[in-house]
Formats: sequence, structure tokens, C-alpha cells
Amino acid sequence: AQKITQTQPGMFVQEKEAVTLDCTYDTSDPSYGLFWYKQPSSGEMIFLIYQGSYDQQNATEGRYSLNFQKARKSANLVISASQLGDSAMYFCAMREKGRKLIWGLGTSLAVNP
Amino acid sequence: GAGVSQSPSNKVTEKGKDVELRCDPISGHTALYWYRQSLGQGLEFLIYFQGNSAPDKSGLPSDRFSAERTGGSVSTLTIQRTQQEDSAVYLCASSLTERGGLDTQYFGPGTRLTVL
Repeated sequence: AQKITQTQPGMFVQEKEAVTLDCTYDTSDPSYGLFWYKQPSSGEMIFLIYQGSYDQQNATEGRYSLNFQKARKSANLVISASQLGDSAMYFCAMREKGRKLIWGLGTSLAVNP
Repeated sequence: GAGVSQSPSNKVTEKGKDVELRCDPISGHTALYWYRQSLGQGLEFLIYFQGNSAPDKSGLPSDRFSAERTGGSVSTLTIQRTQQEDSAVYLCASSLTERGGLDTQYFGPGTRLTVL
């Protein structure tokens, strides 16, 4: 069974608008971490934001925020004021016990001018 | 400071040949990870090194795959007798692994392997 599910294979957003990328996860471990990474066409994997399972507040990093709904096991990424440079693949990943990350299949985001 | 570097950036090989992929982690990072990304897919964990501990090899897909990390720094991923299904981008990451810390993994640019 998929531990990380990203249901949107592709998304479009107009420049300067906000967009939400969905991520749901499955774990029975009470201690876990959720990550979002961006992968532009150049191929590098860029860390964006992190949410720990015990964090009381939603994580924010500049234009990125994470809408963490623990009971629903969702960790959606919100990008505000989209820019053309935000066009990329976005991956949600989870770390349970141990250090390796388990990855979703990604969402391709296209920002239209 | 310098990020994670990987070499070569591209490797084309013939089926049955052995290949070696190299990863140079961020200086001071104690943990090193190898992942594989097939076309249009997410990342698949391969192997993880942490300091002097025995590596977590649970993600290696077959005994044709092996990796070592010399001196707690540079790592080499070796694929023996390559098959066409080994074609993928191989990504290396490193992290600081502070206790109770965020332990963010920082990635290199990857090696694109094509097996003909």
C-alpha cells in the first residue's frame, strides 16, 4: 500500500495566484516527519519545508506553508503568489523511524503567465 | 559552502557492463543516502550510511548493487552486470543527523544512467 499519496499528477495555476498541492500519508508510528521537495527540470531536488508530527503549528517558509491536518493524515503544500519559477515537480516525503525517506509520485506544477 | 556533488553526471553503458557512481557529501554531514528515480516516478530508497554504523541496505534491488563509503565521506555505488531496467537517475543525499534535529537531506544533481 502507498504510504505517501499525491493524487494530482498535474496542476496549473495562474501567476500570482495561490495553489495547494495535496499529500496524504499512512503511518502507525506516532513520531514522523513530513517533507516537501521541489524538482525543476534541471533535476536537482530542493528542500522546501518540513513538518514534524508533534509540531503544534503549521510550518511556513516564505511563500510556502504546510497545511498539516494530523487526524486526516494530510500535509498539503500551499504556495502563495505563484511565480513562473515555481514550475516544477513537487514531491511529498515522509520519514518514520530510521532516516530514509518514503516518497510520493509527485505533482507537476505549471505556472501560467 | 559546497553542496553534494556526484559524478559522472551522465553515464551510458552497455548491458552486462559494471558501472561506478560517485557521491561527495557536504563536508561534516554524517549520513549519506542513495536513491533511484526512474522516469516519471518518485524516489526509491537504496541504501543509507550513518557514521561508522552498518549501512541500511534494505532498499538495494538485487545483489548486483553494492555501495561503500570510505573514511566516512565519499561513497561509491556499484552496479554489476547492468540491465536495461537499471536505467534511471541515481541521486545521492547527505544530512547532518543532529539528535532531535530536523535532519534535512540535501541532494546532489544526480547521475543519469542509461543502459543500452
